[in-house]
Amino acid sequence: QSALTQPASVCGSPGQSITISCTGTSSDIGYYNYVSWYQQHPGKAPKLMIFDVSHRPSGVSNRFSGSKSANTASLTISGLQAEDEADYYCTSYTSSSTLLIFGGGTKLTVL
Amino acid sequence: QIKLQESGPGLVKPSETLSLTCTVSGGSISSGTHYWGWIRQPPGKGPEWIAFIYYDGSTYYHPSFKSRVAISADTSKNHFSLRLNSVTAADTAVYYCATCTATRTYDYWGQGTLVTVSP
Repeated sequence: QSALTQPASVCGSPGQSITISCTGTSSDIGYYNYVSWYQQHPGKAPKLMIFDVSHRPSGVSNRFSGSKSANTASLTISGLQAEDEADYYCTSYTSSSTLLIFGGGTKLTVL
Repeated sequence: QIKLQESGPGLVKPSETLSLTCTVSGGSISSGTHYWGWIRQPPGKGPEWIAFIYYDGSTYYHPSFKSRVAISADTSKNHFSLRLNSVTAADTAVYYCATCTATRTYDYWGQGTLVTVSP
């Protein structure tokens, strides 16, 4: 099964808001409310930022929010900070034998 | 807070078996609160899940690896392990162990260990 589709890169200035999209199909994002988002800084393990589409784990800034419409999920980061510069990956539960699929990743640059 | 630590050889020869162990602290792999899994990330690429195991011994494998992978758990040592057979250079990656919820959210991650497949 193909990976979820994310833009390769996005950029924004400090203080601005950006949105990263993650497009799947009716067998994954469109069917299940089990989308997660991970932040990964270079040389570090991924960190869970959003789960079940829009829920934030304890300790994650409320500048991070998630949503979903049809087959596309979105991660919005408001009040961009330099520390937000990282790679972001989405995942979704899927009805296929793959069980879980990852997005290709989006590199966020804070100008 | 659950903590995970990967251990194992950093260099494996082609055609041989990659073996890694994940030691868990701050939680019990026999508790049923999480699945316990392995994810890898080839250099410059995104992550891909490999396998996970539940406290009752149920195992789940990504179809791409199913024919040459095995995951197991040792509840007495509170650790779980991965074996990947017949490795090639394409298996060179950072391997992470992580906890996985029923909805396939990976909430706790180890720091990762780089495994290089090379003669």
